[in-house]
Amino acid sequence: DIVMTQTPLSSPVTLGQPASISCRSSQSLVHSDGNTYLSWLQQRPGQPPRLLIYKISNRFSGVPDRFSGSGAGTDFTLKISRVEAEDVGVYYCTQATQFPWTFGQGTKVEIK
Amino acid sequence: QLQLQESGPGLVKPSETLSLTCTVSGGSISSSSYYWGWIRQPPGKGLEWIGSIYYSGSTYYNPSLKSRVTISVDTSKNQFSLKLSSVTAADTAVYYCARLRTTIFGVVIIPIDIDYWGQGTLVTVSS
Repeated sequence: DIVMTQTPLSSPVTLGQPASISCRSSQSLVHSDGNTYLSWLQQRPGQPPRLLIYKISNRFSGVPDRFSGSGAGTDFTLKISRVEAEDVGVYYCTQATQFPWTFGQGTKVEIK
Repeated sequence: QLQLQESGPGLVKPSETLSLTCTVSGGSISSSSYYWGWIRQPPGKGLEWIGSIYYSGSTYYNPSLKSRVTISVDTSKNQFSLKLSSVTAADTAVYYCARLRTTIFGVVIIPIDIDYWGQGTLVTVSS
């Protein structure tokens, strides 16, 4: 199985300041079709996860543009340009390049 | 608007079979564009992919659970279901059903990400 490792596991952030989460995979996430199926999910307290970013850097419908994704191969990053109160929650990276799909441990974003 | 709703017993005894159903509304489970899947989350922990199914019945399962998992689809009811046998306390979790977007790889349709999630249902394994 592909192991997804996120850092940090906790990120206290001041409102209006940026936040960054790293995700590293144990092997390349480049699929045989040339795409990289790396997504980012947000899980607010008491809510199901929701899709933020797909294929490394594409924002899902309705996701604010303060969220951005980047990376390639085995190293990926989610950035929030200016954290708002509604961004509090746990963020997961996930890969769908190889079965079984796997998730990172999650990074908790909280307000200082 | 697409909605997915999990249903089933919230308490299952050890060694018995966990059975959940996901009812899809606001969209057709027979759409050629989507797979449908199950993911679980133990209390206070991270996410684990269980498996997924296409309307035709094609499935992908997590090998760690494959010997105990069956996912099926009922297109007439716009539902898909999960059965997990021989459960233990380690299977206690919130179980989510979800819609998976797909792409065509050669002649095969494969799921590539999860765009919609149900609200989840907590299943506790205890005697």
